[in-house]
Amino acid sequence: DIQMTQSPSTLSASVGDRVTITCRASQSINRWLAWYQHKPGKAPQLLMYEASTLESGVPSRFSGRGSGTEFTLTIDSVQPDDFATYYCQNYNPYSPWMFGQGTKLEI
Amino acid sequence: QVQLQESGPGLVKPSQTLSLTCTVSGDSIINGNHHWNWIRQPIGKGLEWIGRIYVSGSTTYNPSLESRVTMSVDTSKNHVSLRLTSVTAADTAVYYCARDPVRGLDVWGQGTTVTVSS
Repeated sequence: DIQMTQSPSTLSASVGDRVTITCRASQSINRWLAWYQHKPGKAPQLLMYEASTLESGVPSRFSGRGSGTEFTLTIDSVQPDDFATYYCQNYNPYSPWMFGQGTKLEI
Repeated sequence: QVQLQESGPGLVKPSQTLSLTCTVSGDSIINGNHHWNWIRQPIGKGLEWIGRIYVSGSTTYNPSLESRVTMSVDTSKNHVSLRLTSVTAADTAVYYCARDPVRGLDVWGQGTTVTVSS
């Protein structure tokens, strides 16, 4: 099974900061990688798919990079609405899926 | 607008079977354009993918839950179902269903809380 490892688990930032979250897969998943934002009491929201394609309606300050086993999610100029938990997910259609353990972005 | 709504008992006794339904509106399962997934989040923990099902009935499950999970699809009611047997307190979680157009999970239900307790 493919395991997904995110780092850091917690990230402290201020409004206006640039932050980066890393996600590593235990084996190559090509670009079958999605990122989600999750706020308490709400459903997770898809931010990015195919590692770097922004979902419709997601602000352009979010960007993704990577392929194979290493991926990053970057937020340029963090806004107050961005404080949430972020998850990466392997969605390779040929295998079971897995989420990373999450990165909590806090003030 | 596509909407997913989870429903089912909020309380299940240990060793019994958890059964949930996800009703889809604004989209038709029979069109075969998507897989339909179940995900859960235990209180204070991260997201855990449970499994997915296609209109054909083809399923893929999380290996850690595979021995206890069954998913099914009812195209006449436009819903998918989840059954999880032999539940314990570790299965207490918010359960979500979500649509998968093979680019991640783009539409989610609001989630339903299931507590396992006697």
